[in-house]
Amino acid sequence: NAGVMQNPRHLVRRRGQEARLRCSPMKGHSHVYWYRQLPEEGLKFMVYLQKENIIDESGMPKERFSAEFPKEGPSILRIQQVVRGDSAAYFCASSPPGGLGSPLHFGNGTRLTVT
Amino acid sequence: GNSVTQMEGPVTLSEEAFLTINCTYTATGYPSLFWYVQYPGEGLQLLLKATKADDKGSNKGFEATYRKETTSFHLEKGSVQVSDSAVYFCALRKETSGSRLTFGEGTQLTVNP
Repeated sequence: NAGVMQNPRHLVRRRGQEARLRCSPMKGHSHVYWYRQLPEEGLKFMVYLQKENIIDESGMPKERFSAEFPKEGPSILRIQQVVRGDSAAYFCASSPPGGLGSPLHFGNGTRLTVT
Repeated sequence: GNSVTQMEGPVTLSEEAFLTINCTYTATGYPSLFWYVQYPGEGLQLLLKATKADDKGSNKGFEATYRKETTSFHLEKGSVQVSDSAVYFCALRKETSGSRLTFGEGTQLTVNP
């Protein structure tokens, strides 16, 4: 059973370009979470999605950031008009439906560098 | 709101030393508690968990006990190895937070031979 797959592992964008980060959850997992980790900092929650629904986006910046988890295909985190402050590691996690005792399983992250 | 506070790092130990990383939380009710470990350049891996008061989670020689009376979930290991060098994150999960994990700031552990 493959783990959470994120791609690309590394992404370099110039200021003003768009960044698209992809996440395929573990098989059987219908809940996806995106977190951002700034250098030397902890993980900050961004958004929680289920298939075709955004459940909680309280951690998402109001502008330039969007996320989706379509019925078919991976979850996508999209950052428009990137700025240097967007440089960070972005982690996706998934979990099965069920109780709070179920842990989240994390991918290896996408490291975004904005030049 | 829900929050997790970890002891400040970094922590540097010699091989075979005893490890404690403190973690306290703020939440109403009974959250589930977790410790995750992050090795350089990788994602987070679940180390252990506890879902109710007085539960003890354990894995790879690491242990943590869910203490409701002190709202704590301290991580311990009796004898650390160089390969334990990593960043350790304490986290909680509670229904009212939309079932997401809320993380502490992480503690960098370096074990020297």
